[in-house]
Amino acid sequence: GAVVSQHPSWVICKSGTSVKIECRSLDFQATTMFWYRQFPKQSLMLMATSNEGSKATYEQGVEKDKFLINHASLTLSTLTVTSAHPEDSSFYICSATLPRATNEQFFGPGTRLTVL
Amino acid sequence: KQEVTQIPAALSVPEGENLVLNCSFTDSAIYNLQWFRQDPGKGLTSLLLIQSSQREQTSGRLNASLDKSSGRSTLYIAASQPGDSATYLCAVKDFNKFYFGSGTKLNVKP
Repeated sequence: GAVVSQHPSWVICKSGTSVKIECRSLDFQATTMFWYRQFPKQSLMLMATSNEGSKATYEQGVEKDKFLINHASLTLSTLTVTSAHPEDSSFYICSATLPRATNEQFFGPGTRLTVL
Repeated sequence: KQEVTQIPAALSVPEGENLVLNCSFTDSAIYNLQWFRQDPGKGLTSLLLIQSSQREQTSGRLNASLDKSSGRSTLYIAASQPGDSATYLCAVKDFNKFYFGSGTKLNVKP
């Protein structure tokens, strides 16, 4: 099946710094990738839809200036958490859909962000 | 707006039992429905994908059904094993988004 990777798998940073998370589709080209946030014991919350070569579409309530998304190539999307604060600590997961009719969604392993 | 509900929120069964997880959604205009498994602190593993035109899909001990008109899907797990212990999530896709349920946490006791 399709493989999606994320890097780093976990990161600890100081309040006020910026953190970049990478999401890569390893064996397929993904024109669309999705970024989710998951709080402990809760389901996934869609943050934004990332389309290659265009601006990301953010969900209501998600600050686009705080969560910068770049989809520069068909295999890479990045999420940058700018000026991170402790309340940004969470599990961030990306996914990508195969470019065919099934639209099956494949997830990366997630990135645990802890802001001190 | 699409809302996805999963019942029960948690389930504990002895090894070997057959079990059913439920997923319901409010808007029947979906493209597909996908069942996932999530282990603690991990990403999601795709289990089964059902297209809107399909009624069910099977993979090994797993069988997922879809009744689009009533807004329901079930995931049937046969002969459960301790290794099946995880959180199971369903997600429905409309034109361009996926909507997730809150999950069912399954514990299979040896």
